[in-house]
Amino acid sequence: AQSVTQLDSHVSVSEGTPVLLRCNYSSSYSPSLFWYVQHPNKGLQLLLKYTSAATLVKGINGFEAEFKKSETSFHLTKPSAHMSDAAEYFCVVKGGSYIPTFGRGTSLIVHP
Amino acid sequence: DTAVSQTPKYLVTQMGNDKSIKCEQNLGHDTMYWYKQDSKKFLKIMFSYNNKELIINETVPNRFSPKSPDKAHLNLHINSLELGDSAVYFCASREQDFDEQFFGPGTRLTVL
Repeated sequence: AQSVTQLDSHVSVSEGTPVLLRCNYSSSYSPSLFWYVQHPNKGLQLLLKYTSAATLVKGINGFEAEFKKSETSFHLTKPSAHMSDAAEYFCVVKGGSYIPTFGRGTSLIVHP
Repeated sequence: DTAVSQTPKYLVTQMGNDKSIKCEQNLGHDTMYWYKQDSKKFLKIMFSYNNKELIINETVPNRFSPKSPDKAHLNLHINSLELGDSAVYFCASREQDFDEQFFGPGTRLTVL
Protein backbone atom coordinates (compact mmCIF):
# COMPACT_ATOMS: atom_id res chain seq x y z
CA ALA A 1 0.00 0.00 0.00
CA GLN A 2 1.13 3.55 -0.63
CA SER A 3 -0.16 7.01 0.09
CA VAL A 4 0.99 10.60 -0.11
CA THR A 5 -0.06 13.68 1.83
CA GLN A 6 0.64 17.21 0.75
CA LEU A 7 0.39 19.16 3.95
CA ASP A 8 -0.65 22.51 2.47
CA SER A 9 -3.35 23.09 -0.11
CA HIS A 10 -2.05 26.64 -0.73
CA VAL A 11 1.31 28.30 -0.14
CA SER A 12 1.74 32.01 -0.64
CA VAL A 13 5.17 33.65 -0.94
CA SER A 14 6.64 36.91 -2.14
CA GLU A 15 8.86 36.98 -5.19
CA GLY A 16 12.48 36.44 -4.19
CA THR A 17 11.68 34.60 -0.95
CA PRO A 18 12.20 30.86 -0.34
CA VAL A 19 9.61 28.25 -1.26
CA LEU A 20 8.77 25.16 0.82
CA LEU A 21 6.11 22.69 -0.33
CA ARG A 22 5.65 19.80 2.07
CA CYS A 23 5.02 16.17 1.22
CA ASN A 24 4.83 13.07 3.41
CA TYR A 25 4.47 9.57 2.04
CA SER A 26 3.96 5.98 3.09
CA SER A 27 4.92 2.91 1.14
CA SER A 28 5.35 -0.79 1.86
CA TYR A 29 8.27 -0.86 -0.59
CA SER A 30 11.26 1.35 -1.21
CA PRO A 31 9.49 4.16 -3.00
CA SER A 32 10.19 6.28 -6.00
CA LEU A 33 9.08 9.85 -5.36
CA PHE A 34 8.34 12.65 -7.77
CA TRP A 35 7.31 16.25 -7.92
CA TYR A 36 5.28 17.44 -10.90
CA VAL A 37 4.26 20.99 -11.75
CA GLN A 38 1.09 22.00 -13.56
CA HIS A 39 0.80 25.52 -14.92
CA PRO A 40 -2.71 26.85 -15.60
CA ASN A 41 -4.48 25.01 -18.39
CA LYS A 42 -1.44 22.84 -19.06
CA GLY A 43 -0.45 19.23 -18.56
CA LEU A 44 1.88 18.04 -15.82
CA GLN A 45 5.64 18.35 -16.15
CA LEU A 46 8.22 16.47 -14.12
CA LEU A 47 10.27 18.73 -11.81
CA LEU A 48 12.42 16.07 -10.18
CA LYS A 49 12.47 12.48 -9.01
CA TYR A 50 14.05 10.34 -6.31
CA THR A 51 14.78 6.70 -7.14
CA SER A 52 17.09 5.47 -4.34
CA ALA A 53 20.22 7.32 -5.42
CA ALA A 54 21.28 10.60 -3.78
CA THR A 55 18.83 11.77 -1.14
CA LEU A 56 19.11 15.42 -2.23
CA VAL A 57 17.64 15.67 -5.69
CA LYS A 58 18.02 18.67 -7.96
CA GLY A 59 15.39 19.41 -10.54
CA ILE A 60 14.56 21.95 -13.18
CA ASN A 61 14.05 25.67 -12.60
CA GLY A 62 16.13 25.72 -9.40
CA PHE A 63 13.92 23.35 -7.42
CA GLU A 64 15.27 20.61 -5.22
CA ALA A 65 13.89 18.05 -2.79
CA GLU A 66 15.36 15.97 0.00
CA PHE A 67 14.32 12.40 0.69
CA LYS A 68 14.22 11.78 4.44
CA LYS A 69 13.37 8.19 5.16
CA SER A 70 13.22 8.66 8.93
CA GLU A 71 10.62 11.38 8.50
CA THR A 72 8.94 9.79 5.45
CA SER A 73 9.12 13.18 3.81
CA PHE A 74 10.05 14.56 0.40
CA HIS A 75 9.68 18.33 0.70
CA LEU A 76 10.21 20.58 -2.31
CA THR A 77 12.24 23.75 -1.93
CA LYS A 78 13.54 26.66 -3.96
CA PRO A 79 15.78 29.42 -2.58
CA SER A 80 14.09 32.29 -4.39
CA ALA A 81 10.60 32.28 -5.88
CA HIS A 82 9.90 33.71 -9.28
CA MET A 83 6.54 34.88 -10.59
CA SER A 84 6.66 32.10 -13.19
CA ASP A 85 6.72 29.50 -10.39
CA ALA A 86 3.05 30.16 -9.64
CA ALA A 87 1.39 26.83 -10.41
CA GLU A 88 -0.04 23.66 -8.91
CA TYR A 89 2.50 21.18 -7.55
CA PHE A 90 1.92 17.48 -7.10
CA CYS A 91 3.90 15.05 -4.99
CA VAL A 92 3.74 11.45 -6.26
CA VAL A 93 4.77 8.14 -4.70
CA LYS A 94 5.26 4.87 -6.49
CA GLY A 95 6.01 1.72 -4.51
CA GLY A 96 5.82 -1.90 -5.61
CA SER A 97 2.93 -1.35 -7.99
CA TYR A 98 3.47 0.46 -11.28
CA ILE A 99 0.44 2.59 -10.50
CA PRO A 100 1.51 5.86 -8.88
CA THR A 101 -0.40 7.71 -6.19
CA PHE A 102 -0.76 11.48 -6.50
CA GLY A 103 -1.10 13.95 -3.68
CA ARG A 104 -3.99 16.40 -3.75
CA GLY A 105 -1.76 19.20 -4.92
CA THR A 106 -0.40 22.45 -3.47
CA SER A 107 -1.18 25.71 -5.16
CA LEU A 108 1.84 28.04 -5.07
CA ILE A 109 0.96 31.72 -5.18
CA VAL A 110 3.76 34.21 -5.79
CA HIS A 111 3.20 37.87 -4.95
CA PRO A 112 5.21 40.64 -6.61
CA ASP B 1 7.38 17.28 -31.86
CA THR B 2 4.63 16.62 -29.36
CA ALA B 3 5.45 13.61 -27.18
CA VAL B 4 1.94 12.88 -25.87
CA SER B 5 -0.98 14.40 -27.73
CA GLN B 6 -4.69 14.36 -27.02
CA THR B 7 -7.69 15.25 -29.13
CA PRO B 8 -9.87 17.11 -28.74
CA LYS B 9 -8.57 19.79 -26.39
CA TYR B 10 -12.10 20.87 -25.48
CA LEU B 11 -15.29 18.82 -25.63
CA VAL B 12 -18.72 20.18 -24.82
CA THR B 13 -21.63 17.78 -25.02
CA GLN B 14 -25.08 16.98 -23.68
CA MET B 15 -25.94 14.51 -20.95
CA GLY B 16 -26.59 11.03 -22.27
CA ASN B 17 -24.29 11.33 -25.28
CA ASP B 18 -21.39 9.01 -26.06
CA LYS B 19 -17.98 10.54 -26.73
CA SER B 20 -14.36 9.52 -27.24
CA ILE B 21 -11.06 11.13 -26.39
CA LYS B 22 -7.96 10.08 -28.27
CA CYS B 23 -4.38 9.86 -27.04
CA GLU B 24 -1.20 9.19 -28.96
CA GLN B 25 2.39 9.00 -27.80
CA ASN B 26 5.44 8.96 -30.06
CA LEU B 27 7.91 8.04 -27.32
CA GLY B 28 7.83 4.28 -27.84
CA HIS B 29 6.59 3.75 -24.28
CA ASP B 30 4.99 0.52 -23.13
CA THR B 31 2.64 1.89 -20.50
CA MET B 32 -0.13 4.44 -20.86
CA TYR B 33 -2.59 5.91 -18.40
CA TRP B 34 -5.80 7.88 -18.22
CA TYR B 35 -6.32 10.32 -15.37
CA LYS B 36 -9.31 12.43 -14.37
CA GLN B 37 -8.69 15.82 -12.75
CA ASP B 38 -11.67 17.33 -10.99
CA SER B 39 -12.46 20.97 -10.33
CA LYS B 40 -10.36 20.89 -7.15
CA LYS B 41 -7.32 19.75 -9.14
CA PHE B 42 -7.40 16.26 -7.63
CA LEU B 43 -5.85 13.75 -10.03
CA LYS B 44 -7.35 10.29 -10.01
CA ILE B 45 -5.96 7.44 -12.05
CA MET B 46 -8.60 5.70 -14.12
CA PHE B 47 -6.82 3.11 -16.20
CA SER B 48 -3.38 1.80 -16.97
CA TYR B 49 -2.34 -0.19 -20.00
CA ASN B 50 0.95 -2.04 -19.75
CA ASN B 51 1.99 -3.98 -22.85
CA LYS B 52 -1.66 -4.48 -23.78
CA GLU B 53 -2.63 -5.59 -20.29
CA LEU B 54 -5.42 -3.44 -18.93
CA ILE B 55 -5.49 -2.62 -15.24
CA ILE B 56 -8.95 -1.43 -14.35
CA ASN B 57 -9.54 0.93 -11.46
CA GLU B 58 -12.55 -0.47 -9.71
CA THR B 59 -13.94 2.92 -8.83
CA VAL B 60 -14.38 3.84 -12.48
CA PRO B 61 -17.93 3.30 -13.78
CA ASN B 62 -18.21 0.79 -16.59
CA ARG B 63 -19.51 3.60 -18.81
CA PHE B 64 -15.82 4.37 -19.27
CA SER B 65 -13.95 2.01 -21.57
CA PRO B 66 -10.35 2.37 -22.74
CA LYS B 67 -9.32 1.01 -26.09
CA SER B 68 -5.74 0.51 -27.24
CA PRO B 69 -5.48 -0.27 -30.96
CA ASP B 70 -1.70 -0.37 -30.67
CA LYS B 71 1.07 0.49 -28.23
CA ALA B 72 1.14 4.16 -29.27
CA HIS B 73 -2.56 4.85 -28.78
CA LEU B 74 -4.93 4.70 -25.84
CA ASN B 75 -8.40 6.08 -26.41
CA LEU B 76 -11.11 6.66 -23.84
CA HIS B 77 -14.73 6.06 -24.73
CA ILE B 78 -17.47 7.32 -22.43
CA ASN B 79 -21.07 6.16 -22.74
CA SER B 80 -24.16 7.92 -21.40
CA LEU B 81 -22.32 11.00 -20.22
CA GLU B 82 -23.34 12.48 -16.86
CA LEU B 83 -22.85 15.92 -15.34
CA GLY B 84 -20.29 14.48 -12.93
CA ASP B 85 -18.09 13.42 -15.81
CA SER B 86 -17.18 17.05 -16.41
CA ALA B 87 -13.46 17.29 -15.73
CA VAL B 88 -10.09 17.50 -17.40
CA TYR B 89 -8.86 14.14 -18.65
CA PHE B 90 -5.13 13.56 -18.99
CA CYS B 91 -3.34 10.86 -20.88
CA ALA B 92 0.19 9.89 -19.84
CA SER B 93 2.82 7.39 -20.90
CA ARG B 94 5.84 5.76 -19.28
CA GLU B 95 8.73 3.68 -20.47
CA GLN B 96 8.77 0.16 -19.04
CA ASP B 97 11.87 0.42 -16.87
CA PHE B 98 11.51 4.03 -15.79
CA ASP B 99 9.07 5.74 -13.50
CA GLU B 100 8.74 9.17 -15.06
CA GLN B 101 5.42 9.81 -16.73
CA PHE B 102 4.93 12.12 -19.67
CA PHE B 103 1.58 13.87 -19.72
CA GLY B 104 -0.55 15.10 -22.54
CA PRO B 105 -2.02 18.61 -22.51
CA GLY B 106 -5.42 17.44 -21.29
CA THR B 107 -8.97 17.36 -22.65
CA ARG B 108 -11.48 19.56 -20.89
CA LEU B 109 -14.85 17.78 -20.99
CA THR B 110 -17.98 19.76 -20.15
CA VAL B 111 -21.28 17.92 -19.88
CA LEU B 112 -24.36 20.13 -20.04
